[in-house]
Amino acid sequence: IAGITQAPTSQILAAGRRMTLRCTQDMRHNAMYWYRQDLGLGLRLIHYSNTAGTTGKGEVPDGYSVSRANTDDFPLTLASAVPSQTSVYFCASSESLTGPETQYFGPGTRLLVL
Amino acid sequence: SQKIEQNSEALNIQEGKTDTLTCNYTNYSPAYLEWYRQDPGRGPVFLLLIRENEKEKRKERLKVTFDTTLKQSLFHITASQPADSATYLCARDTGGYNKLIFGAGTRLAVHP
Repeated sequence: IAGITQAPTSQILAAGRRMTLRCTQDMRHNAMYWYRQDLGLGLRLIHYSNTAGTTGKGEVPDGYSVSRANTDDFPLTLASAVPSQTSVYFCASSESLTGPETQYFGPGTRLLVL
Repeated sequence: SQKIEQNSEALNIQEGKTDTLTCNYTNYSPAYLEWYRQDPGRGPVFLLLIRENEKEKRKERLKVTFDTTLKQSLFHITASQPADSATYLCARDTGGYNKLIFGAGTRLAVHP
C-alpha cells in the first residue's frame, strides 16, 4: 500500500507559468487536504475536500485552485505562479473531515518559483 | 484567529534523558490536539491525539497532556534515543473539523 503519492518531487518554475501538483491516495479516504510549509510558519491549509465533488478554502487559498473528480485524486493548480508561492507542498488525507481523525501525509513537492 | 505556538528554538538533549515540548493555543479550547513527527525532507507522521476531556495519553515512550486552564499541551519523550531526533508538530482542530492549524514545530536533537 503506497498511501499518498505526490508528483513531481520537486520543480523549478518560471513566474507566470501554470503548474499542477498531483496527489493520489489509495486508502479510499473521503477527506483530502493541501498544505504549504514555509520556514518558521509551519503548515498552512490551502484547500480541502470533504468528498469527491466538493472542495473548500483553507487559510491561504489565493492563487490556488483544486478539483476532486474522484475519491483518489486531488490536484492543486497554480494558475499563474508567483515567487511567494515558493514552498514545500504537502497533500494529506483522512477518513473524514469531521474529527478527530489522523491525517496521512504525502512526501511533499518542493517548488521554487523564479 | 486560532493560533498554535511552539518553542521555535531547537532542543538538544542527551540520550536517555526525558524532554518536554510545549504547545500553547489561543482563544477557545480545541476539541482535540494532535502531535506529529517530521523528519527532514519527509511529510509529517501522526504520533498521538488527545481530546479535550482527556488529561493524558500515552504511547510507548511518549506521553501527551492537555491542560485547558493553561491552554497548553505538553509532549514528553522518556528514555530518549538519537532516533528520536526530528521536528515535532502540534496541531489543533477547527471547530471539531479536521482542518488542522499547525504550530511551526520544535526541532529536537538527541545526542549519544
